[in-house]
Amino acid sequence: GAGVSQSPRYKVAKRGQDVALRCDPISGHVSLFWYQQALGQGPEFLTYFQNEAQLDKSGLPSDRFFAERPEGSVSTLKIQRTQQEDSAVYLCASSKHQGPSYEQYFGPGTRLTVT
Amino acid sequence: AQSVAQPEDQVNVAEGNPLTVKCTYSVSGNPYLFWYVQYPNRGLQFLLKYITGDNLVKGSYGFEAEFNKSQTSFHLKKPSALVSDSALYFCAVRDVNTGFQKLVFGTGTRLLVSP
Repeated sequence: GAGVSQSPRYKVAKRGQDVALRCDPISGHVSLFWYQQALGQGPEFLTYFQNEAQLDKSGLPSDRFFAERPEGSVSTLKIQRTQQEDSAVYLCASSKHQGPSYEQYFGPGTRLTVT
Repeated sequence: AQSVAQPEDQVNVAEGNPLTVKCTYSVSGNPYLFWYVQYPNRGLQFLLKYITGDNLVKGSYGFEAEFNKSQTSFHLKKPSALVSDSALYFCAVRDVNTGFQKLVFGTGTRLLVSP
């Protein structure tokens, strides 16, 4: 079946521009996660949704970062007034159920470069 | 806080030889441990997980991992390495302290299998 998809795969933004990154989770998956992966590092948690509810946004680095999942399916991560330190790969993951024993399935990521 | 450590930045092994990629963890309560693999320009792929039960966990592509509670380790193993196993491997633990299920990743270990 179809996996997690993300678009665009690559995004170049000039500093100060706003960007929107899209995630299509696996159909029927209730949990959705966003992670940020800097070059040479492991992914770091940004935010978590259960259906349409954003239950944890403790990893968002600043108020320039905003995520939504209005209908409990597709999610968008928005970054306002991008800065160079925002350059990273943004990974989306989904999980069939809530609960610590369920694995997360990751999309290919969006590589954001801020110039 | 929940954390995992991957002490080796890179592991080199010859094709056909056994491989081990090390991971140690620090958690409060029961550990929920995962291994993921990342190929270039692709997202993370789930390999295996330890939730409870047998200490030897079998996963995808012939990989297995041994959970050792006394040594707080969860090393990834494969009896006979393939060149195609060359990739970046991440150990992760579920952070259940907050009541949610974000993954906390190690820094990754690059596996290089030579022909």
